[in-house]
Amino acid sequence: DQQVKQNSPSLSVQEGRISILNCDYTNSMFDYFLWYKKYPAEGPTFLISISSIKDKNEDGRFTVFLNKSAKHLSLHIVPSQPGDSAVYFCAASASHNDMRFGAGTRLTVKP
Amino acid sequence: DAMVIQNPRYQVTQFGKPVTLSCSQTLNHNVMYWYQQKSSQAPKLLFHYYDKDFNNEADTPDNFQSRRPNTSFCFLDIRSPGLGDAAMYLCATSSPSGRAAADTQYFGPGTRLTVL
Repeated sequence: DQQVKQNSPSLSVQEGRISILNCDYTNSMFDYFLWYKKYPAEGPTFLISISSIKDKNEDGRFTVFLNKSAKHLSLHIVPSQPGDSAVYFCAASASHNDMRFGAGTRLTVKP
Repeated sequence: DAMVIQNPRYQVTQFGKPVTLSCSQTLNHNVMYWYQQKSSQAPKLLFHYYDKDFNNEADTPDNFQSRRPNTSFCFLDIRSPGLGDAAMYLCATSSPSGRAAADTQYFGPGTRLTVL
């Protein structure tokens, strides 16, 4: 049962433009959401998170938006840089130590 | 640098031959996790340790076992690997000091397991 879904396996954008990665979830008990970034041959690394009491969290070029009514979150990267090319995983949890991941979206930023 | 280390990075085993994957951490985190990730799929939580307390996911096959002899080390044992167990195995840690910290996991680079 896939509780966290990333429906776009890949995304390609031009350097300097905005990248928007999307994530949908089905479990209304999820109350904490995270994005992880993964480069080849490395483990996922934490990028940004948001609690369900907020609808937006911003960290530099990265902004996560949460729409609880739609059970949808998105990650915006602006401006996109070639070094942002990686696989991005969306994750959600309803309690400590119980995180569910999406299958990932491969972002390619072209120079 | 504090980190999560997984050894080996690549492991080849034969069908049915027991194999052990290793994870160590220098972060002194209480919680350690093992995930299985198959190609183009989401990482799937197998189990986790909160200190010495073992927490198994309901759908984790009995073929998968784990040991945590101390805070720093955690092992994943696959007793009789099948072809379907070929995957990337990721170890992660977290610290339960508050919800945000508890949910921010630090991952190792993974061990890619091949079953012949």
